[in-house]
Amino acid sequence: EIVLTQSPGTLSLSPGERATLSCRASQSVSTTYLAWYQQKPGQAPRLLIYGASSRATGIPDRFSGSGSGTDFTLTISRLEPEDFAVYYCQQYGSSPWTFGQGTKVEIK
Amino acid sequence: QVQLQESGPGLVQPSETLSLTCTVSGGSISSFYWSWIRQPPGKGLEWIGHIDTSGSTNYNPSLKSRVTISIYTSKNQFSLRLSSVTPADTAIYYCARHMSPGARRAFDIWGQGTMVTVSS
Repeated sequence: EIVLTQSPGTLSLSPGERATLSCRASQSVSTTYLAWYQQKPGQAPRLLIYGASSRATGIPDRFSGSGSGTDFTLTISRLEPEDFAVYYCQQYGSSPWTFGQGTKVEIK
Repeated sequence: QVQLQESGPGLVQPSETLSLTCTVSGGSISSFYWSWIRQPPGKGLEWIGHIDTSGSTNYNPSLKSRVTISIYTSKNQFSLRLSSVTPADTAIYYCARHMSPGARRAFDIWGQGTMVTVSS
């Protein structure tokens, strides 16, 4: 099973700042089958990025994804108040599909 | 637009079987893969398994011996059964759609989730 490790565990930033979230895989993720989700308290996860770098429908362009192989990054260019949440990466290239443990982006 | 809704008991006795149903509305269940995912309180996400509209399944090895996922295309529903539950199975259970035909796809539509507590 591919283990995904996200860092940092918590990111304390102010609105308007840039957020950089990391996801490292224990083995290479085939053909960039890597997604990012945002989850707010009491809500289901929402798909942000798939295929490592493609934005899902309706996702603002301040969200971007990059990376390949074992190292992936989610960047939020300028944090809006609604972006403070928990973010999960997920690989769907090798079964069982697995998620990282999450990065919480909190208001500083 | 397609929406998913989980339903089922919120409380299950230890050693019993957890049973949940996901109803797909606003679109057809056909041609897509459908997954169950769970999240223990305050913790991360765990994929349980998926099914396609032919009834072919794939389960997480960590739960495989206890999981059955079924599909009812005429009702636009699929279901989850998890047997021999313990308090460790207490979680929010989500159903989700794979974003386009195929198993290796991100989950683009999620249900709101249903909390299931395992306790006597």
